Amino acid sequence: ETGVTQTPRHLVMGMTNKKSLKCEQHLGHNAMYWYKQSAKKPLELMFVYSLEERVENNSVPSRFSPECPNSSHLFLHLHTLQPEDSALYLCASSQDKNRGTEAFFGQGTRLTVV
Amino acid sequence: GESVGLHLPTLSVQEGDNSIINCAYSNSASDYFIWYKQESGKGPQFIIDIRSNMDKRQGQRVTVLLNKTVKHLSLQIAATQPGDSAVYFCAVAGGGTSYGKLTFGQGTILTVHP
Repeated sequence: ETGVTQTPRHLVMGMTNKKSLKCEQHLGHNAMYWYKQSAKKPLELMFVYSLEERVENNSVPSRFSPECPNSSHLFLHLHTLQPEDSALYLCASSQDKNRGTEAFFGQGTRLTVV
Repeated sequence: GESVGLHLPTLSVQEGDNSIINCAYSNSASDYFIWYKQESGKGPQFIIDIRSNMDKRQGQRVTVLLNKTVKHLSLQIAATQPGDSAVYFCAVAGGGTSYGKLTFGQGTILTVHP
């Protein structure tokens, strides 16, 4: 266990559905991240939150909407996704945003858009 | 920008052999390097890191070598075991990125045969 928990582990959704991914960290970290991992592609950073404030948005489409209500929880709200959005979505946390390289990852949510 | 590559997408070894996984990066200002291991169905797990002021760092059965001249790093696993079978990613940070963002390589699939 890395101290970062993601739910659900698997999600199948239609293109018109609205769903949310949840991430919780029990490490006392101040920075949290969403990454996308597609087949045969490197991990792609999507969002960075530091002390509940979004500090980075890597040109992610608006159909992905992050939310960070407190430093322990991070959500990714999904709306009108496309089949190409199917991927493994990984949450990570680190002590602070400037030490984001020492990140601890959750096990990911395997998302399939049909 | 930063690009990170791996010389071989797959590596097969016999149990007990030593394994070497290579990674090349492009930004000479990069100053922090990490190797991650990702087993099937799990998120990336930190293995070992090295900063640019070092050429070599050893952990338990693993050694990371950094050659800044040719912008290359490698991960050596001694006495490889079946439990080492996984995808191994190198990740690079620094070079002016504000939030310690990692740039990941595509990954090398290591298969260890009993």
